[in-house]
Amino acid sequence: DAKTTQPPSMDCAEGRAANLPCNHSTISGNEYVYWYRQIHSQGPQYIIHGLKNNETNEMASLIITEDRKSSTLILPHATLRDTAVYYCIVRGGSGNTGKLIFGQGTTLQVKP
Amino acid sequence: DAGVIQSPRHEVTEMGQEVTLRCKPISGHDYLFWYRQTMMRGLELLIYFNNNVPIDDSGMPEDRFSAKMPNASFSTLKIQPSEPRDSAVYFCASSSAQGWIGELFFGEGSRLTVL
Repeated sequence: DAKTTQPPSMDCAEGRAANLPCNHSTISGNEYVYWYRQIHSQGPQYIIHGLKNNETNEMASLIITEDRKSSTLILPHATLRDTAVYYCIVRGGSGNTGKLIFGQGTTLQVKP
Repeated sequence: DAGVIQSPRHEVTEMGQEVTLRCKPISGHDYLFWYRQTMMRGLELLIYFNNNVPIDDSGMPEDRFSAKMPNASFSTLKIQPSEPRDSAVYFCASSSAQGWIGELFFGEGSRLTVL
């Protein structure tokens, strides 16, 4: 599975959009990009995933560059409850074993 | 749905004792994963099962750790004997047959402290 690189921390003002970047330059053609988040003391929570098209759901939007080497998770109107560690994960591809491997993630602090 | 259920939520034990953590996956899910989380190492995948069969246990740290899934609705992670460095939060997660491209649902975790 391809490796991802994320900034260790970011701040965002409440009510503003939070844009969390992720680099995955070694991603292969059939690997998906996943985003999970972990609020303090809770289990990780799925947010969204995509292959090459941009995706949107009730929680967030995922923008994947045309070359698929990077992506951005967008929380359109961040609230204090969005303060969490956000994990970008690349998963799937040929020989996929179903593993979901977490990196260090980005700690997002939403401030009032 | 009740979600993934783990027990106990908290466990404090002494070094050398046996520890058994339990997990009930979401009904109908075919994949079950055990993760461990520490400050130093983050979230580590220990083992996962598909249709009750262990598929990959390469993340299990050593022979003191064992995991079983006797049926589709129950799994255990056992540590015997336990050591202080096993102190961590252990998460169980499950997903459907399409889980390799879909969503993993995590339990609330079992916080283990080994004194």
